Amino acid sequence: GAVVSQHPSRVICKSGTSVKIECRSLDFQATTMFWYRQFPKQSLMLMATSNEGSKATYEQGVEKDKFLINHASLTLSTLTVTSAHPEDSSFYICSASDGYTFGSGTRLTVV
Amino acid sequence: AQTVTQSQPEMSVQEAETVTLSCTYDTSESDYYLFWYKQPPSRQMILVIRQEAYKQQNATENRFSVNFQKAAKSFSLKISDSQLGDAAMYFCAHLGNNNDMRFGAGTRLTVKP
Repeated sequence: GAVVSQHPSRVICKSGTSVKIECRSLDFQATTMFWYRQFPKQSLMLMATSNEGSKATYEQGVEKDKFLINHASLTLSTLTVTSAHPEDSSFYICSASDGYTFGSGTRLTVV
Repeated sequence: AQTVTQSQPEMSVQEAETVTLSCTYDTSESDYYLFWYKQPPSRQMILVIRQEAYKQQNATENRFSVNFQKAAKSFSLKISDSQLGDAAMYFCAHLGNNNDMRFGAGTRLTVKP
């Protein structure tokens, strides 16, 4: 089946800096990828749909200028959290175009 | 929009016994997929079982099986012969036509030795 690689698995950054998270499809081409966020003791919530070669589609309430998504190739989507603040600390996880194969996730801590 | 409801925040089962986790959903789509994921403390999303809505037969994967009631929009997970390693958060999820996944709030399963 599909394999999705996500990097880094953990990152700690200072408040006000930007952090980039990568999501790669290893054995297939992904025209679409999905980004989710999971706060502690909560469920996964879809943030945005990443589309290769075009703009991402964001869910209501998600700031597109804060969470920049780039999907420049068929195997790589990146999520950049810009000007991160402590409230952005969360678990971020991507899924492949099939919708149900997930990366291993990234635990972001903003201090 | 699709919604998924898990009404049991926590469940407990004795090792070797059987437990059923409940899930209901709402959708306007006629064709879709339903999933159960296991999430251990590592937060990795482990696919437990999936069901295609157009299939009437309930999916089974070893000790895991589902009771899919399409008309009632119910999708429960049964874990037989529970093992200590089954302890985790379990999420029920609906995959829509756009391949975006909607999750329930989760059920924390504890397995008692």
